Amino acid sequence: DTVLTQSPALAVSPGERVSISCRASEGVNSYMHWYQQKPGQQPKLLIYKASNLASGVPARFSGSGSGTDFTLTIDPVEADDTATYFCQQSWNELTFGSGTKLEIK
Amino acid sequence: QVQLQQSGAELAKPGTSVKLSCKASGYTFTSYYIYWVKQRPGQGLEWIGYIYPGNGGTYYSEKFKGKATFTADTSSSTAYMLLGSLTPEDSAYYFCARQGFGVMDAWGQGASVTVSS
Repeated sequence: DTVLTQSPALAVSPGERVSISCRASEGVNSYMHWYQQKPGQQPKLLIYKASNLASGVPARFSGSGSGTDFTLTIDPVEADDTATYFCQQSWNELTFGSGTKLEIK
Repeated sequence: QVQLQQSGAELAKPGTSVKLSCKASGYTFTSYYIYWVKQRPGQGLEWIGYIYPGNGGTYYSEKFKGKATFTADTSSSTAYMLLGSLTPEDSAYYFCARQGFGVMDAWGQGASVTVSS
């Protein structure tokens, strides 16, 4: 299985820029996607194929990367962005990262 | 708009089965895969597999072979997942999701399964 590694948690202040990383144990081409999950809710697609913004997602969210290293950036961060962010690859079967919990101070 | 409406919470005894449903609306049910995902409380997401309602084709990730069985009723635009031989490790939230453009672009609200004697 392709293992996706994410930092467990981050804390930032509103208005700042935050980058959330995801490293794959093997190359996944550009088949990396990002989801936001707020407490008690289902995940929501933010970014697909590394850098494409999903429909209805604010332009504050962006994605980059290819191969094994990928980044989700939120700029500027808002209080409503408090959530856990998961990366997911679909190049080799399908696996998820363990999630990065983002706290807004 | 695209919606996936899942069935309610289930409480089941070890060794029994539960069948979860996922009713789709707002799109052509037979043209998209339905994926199923498991999430244990406070933990990450695990992909279980998928069904393609257009032809009934299914795929299961290795870990869930023998545990989950997918079916679909095209007349009611509803996908189902049967979880068998339940153990406490099956206690979790289960989500269905539509696969569009290779990603899960719409999700159900989730269904809680609790396995306890």
